[in-house]
Amino acid sequence: NAGVTQTPKFRVLKTGQSMTLLCAQDMNHEYMYWYRQDPGMGLRLIHYSVGEGTTAKGEVPDGYNVSRLKKQNFLLGLESAAPSQTSVYFCASSYGGQGVNNSPLHFGNGTRLTVT
Amino acid sequence: AQSVAQPEDQVNVAEGNPLTVKCTYSVSGNPYLFWYVQYPNRGLQFLLKYITGDNLVKGSYGFEAEFNKSQTSFHLKKPSALVSDSALYFCAVRDIWGNNRLAFGKGNQVVVIP
Repeated sequence: NAGVTQTPKFRVLKTGQSMTLLCAQDMNHEYMYWYRQDPGMGLRLIHYSVGEGTTAKGEVPDGYNVSRLKKQNFLLGLESAAPSQTSVYFCASSYGGQGVNNSPLHFGNGTRLTVT
Repeated sequence: AQSVAQPEDQVNVAEGNPLTVKCTYSVSGNPYLFWYVQYPNRGLQFLLKYITGDNLVKGSYGFEAEFNKSQTSFHLKKPSALVSDSALYFCAVRDIWGNNRLAFGKGNQVVVIP
């Protein structure tokens, strides 16, 4: 049981380049989330999904897009990377939403992205 | 809007001593409260949660937390710290009317000194 798997683990981009971060979970969870973690700021929600084919904006969605074409996968895209997007990105999933049974989040190990 | 404050950046404690990590919260209604732990180069792991009922909640790895409504606090505690408890600890809250969003604190680095 792999849990939540994120690829890649590290990436360096130049300003203006694009990339996609992949998140896969094998727990049959309905809910999936993308967070960014910055020093001294905790975790901030970028986008989330309450089920296959649905997505919603979180706290800091600008500059990012997401897709949930399959239940087990949640993709985060950066169309034109900026230095302000240098961060550690975490994907998480949960059985129910945080509004349903308060299911705990299961996190991947993160992707460290540097934009120069 | 819901929010969490973790007032200390770093907590240093000697191995075997009690460990406390502080958290205060602000919500518009009744809170749902969580603690997560992050080890180096890993994602966050769930420790415990308070939803309702007994104010003292027990979780993984010997940790517990006490909900105090009058002080709007949810401090994490462990009676006897281990070196392996050295990690980053996050408190999180959502309110009863909330959507699918947790508000995370900025995190507390715990260093257990052998």
